[in-house]
Amino acid sequence: EDQVTQSPEALRLQEGESSSLNCSYTVSGLRGLFWYRQDPGKGPEFLFTLYSAGEEKEKERLKATLTKKESFLHITAPKPEDSATYLCAVPAGNKLTFGGGTRVLVKP
Amino acid sequence: IAGITQAPTSQILAAGRRMTLRCTQDMRHNAMYWYRQDLGLGLRLIHYSNTAGTTGKGEVPDGYSVSRANTDDFPLTLASAVPSQTSVYFCASSSGQNYGYTFGSGTRLTVV
Repeated sequence: EDQVTQSPEALRLQEGESSSLNCSYTVSGLRGLFWYRQDPGKGPEFLFTLYSAGEEKEKERLKATLTKKESFLHITAPKPEDSATYLCAVPAGNKLTFGGGTRVLVKP
Repeated sequence: IAGITQAPTSQILAAGRRMTLRCTQDMRHNAMYWYRQDLGLGLRLIHYSNTAGTTGKGEVPDGYSVSRANTDDFPLTLASAVPSQTSVYFCASSSGQNYGYTFGSGTRLTVV
């Protein structure tokens, strides 16, 4: 069965303290891995798609990387506005299967 | 602004009542989806539609129905609401299975 697991469940950071979020997956025939950001009371917002091992994507303070078994979302020198829940997902059949998310809180 | 519009934003509903959650997109995406999001359970797919005129069941379809009469609209109906359907419901669309989804802002539904 296709599975996506994210860790940690929650992360508290001081402003400027870099860290990484993990997304591990088991899926037959990876057809992409997606990262989303979700703010409280809002729908998930698309960040990145990664298609092959070794691929990297960057957006501001965020960088996503992909290996054959997992993906990392690196947050470099985070700011309070980076506080959100970060979700990863993989296509599985006719849907995206989502991980449980990592809640990130960046304190000033 | 292109995107997905969901209505209502929130609703309190008596158990046993019928309710339709509305979803409209203006991006001409072929595929549309309904997810529910619950604390500790994450996002779970209820129903999907790959193209107008077709629909399919997701992980948790019981108690819900959908229709896709045209490209833009994908309403979700609860025939007889039960408290376990209390959740936040998100509609999403995509131009293809391997492309990122665009999500609406959600409908927060409380069944009492």
